This record gives sequence, structure tokens and C-alpha cells, in this order.
Amino acid sequence: GDSVTQMEGPVTLSEEACLTINCTYTATGYPSLFWYVQYPGEGLQLLLKATKADDKGSNKGFEATYRKETTSFHLEKGSVQVSDSAVYFCALSGDSGAGSYQLTFGKGTKLSVIP
Amino acid sequence: KAGVTQTPRYLIKTRGQQVTLSCSPISGHRSVSWYQQTPGQGLQFLFEYFSETQRNKGNFPGRFSGRQFSNSRSEMNVSTLELGDSALYLCASSSFGGGGVTEAFFGQGTRLTVV
Repeated sequence: GDSVTQMEGPVTLSEEACLTINCTYTATGYPSLFWYVQYPGEGLQLLLKATKADDKGSNKGFEATYRKETTSFHLEKGSVQVSDSAVYFCALSGDSGAGSYQLTFGKGTKLSVIP
Repeated sequence: KAGVTQTPRYLIKTRGQQVTLSCSPISGHRSVSWYQQTPGQGLQFLFEYFSETQRNKGNFPGRFSGRQFSNSRSEMNVSTLELGDSALYLCASSSFGGGGVTEAFFGQGTRLTVV
């Protein structure tokens, strides 16, 4: 079945440092790929997405490129802020049959940014 | 546009009891999915409903069930609660239920504690 593997952390960075969270996936067909973010006590918020190979998703300074050849979707940000502290989830959406929609998530990476 | 609303936010139940959680999707969204989030297992797919029909179900025991009403609101029920059912239950809605590109919007979740 589909699976997502991401570095679990936790990751602690100083403000303005560069961030990379690795994500690789296994899936049949051509899934869409997502990064979600979860702040303490909250649900999941979509951060960015990519729907086909070589697509680059971007939002709030975060970027990720859909690499089919390496089955990867690494999350990057050039300069993190304290407000970026959260848990980040890589996910893919695959066709489960009968037109059904299902997200498969990685385990999540907790990011802490210190001033 | 109102987001996904889940009620209640917090619940405490005793082993052996049953519980019903509610989810109101974004207006116009016909697909509702449920996920269980625990520290050990991460985010796991429970089931997906589209136009009152369950189209897909994850690997959970039959104690977990759900339904969707004609207005797309959804409920999930857990019977004979076990300690291991303690988790954050997240509901997600999307605007169409076809496979492939689908953006899911999550509610804030219901925190269930079984004692």
C-alpha cells in the first residue's frame, strides 16, 4: 500500500536558519503530495501541495518540489521564524478505488525555532 | 466561508461506553473523511463518506462506524470504548470526491479520553 516516510525530529533551529524536512513516498500511480502543519491544540492546515511531477508548491516562504525520479517531496524554507514552530506532516493522496479520496501521512516532524 | 466544525472539542468517557462525534463540513463539500491521531500510530484513516455513502474504510475494528446525512454532516460512533481509543479524532472535508487532486480541510478535532 501507499506509505510516506519523513524525518521525525524533533528539529530545533535558531531564528533565520534554513530548514529542510525530508519526505519520501511509495505509491502506485501518480499521487498528489501535500505538506500540512499542526499548531498546538489545533487541527491540520494545508501548507502547500503539488499535483504532478516537477510541480513546485509554495506558501509563506515554504517550498517543496514533486520529484518523481526520487519519489521525494522535501520541505524547505530559507529563513525560519519563531512562529513556524509546529508539527509538519507530509502526505499523499491516492486513489483508493470507487473514486474515494484518502490521505496517507508521515509520522510528523516537530519543529522548534528559538530566538 | 465557515470552516469545518467538529463537536464536541473534548470528551471524557469510561471504558465500555459508546461515543458519537459530529462533523459539519464546509458548505458545498460532499466528501467527509475521518482520521484518528495518536502519539504512537500517528494519523490513520478511518473512513470516507460521499453523498451519504461510505466509499472507503481504513483498518479499524467494527466498533468504529460512521454515517453521513443528506446535508453532508457526518457522525462517527465508537462502541464499547477501550483505553486505546483515546485520541484526537479529525474530520476533513473536500469539495469533490474523485481520486487524484483533492484538497482536504480539517476541523480542530475532538479530543477523546477513555478512562
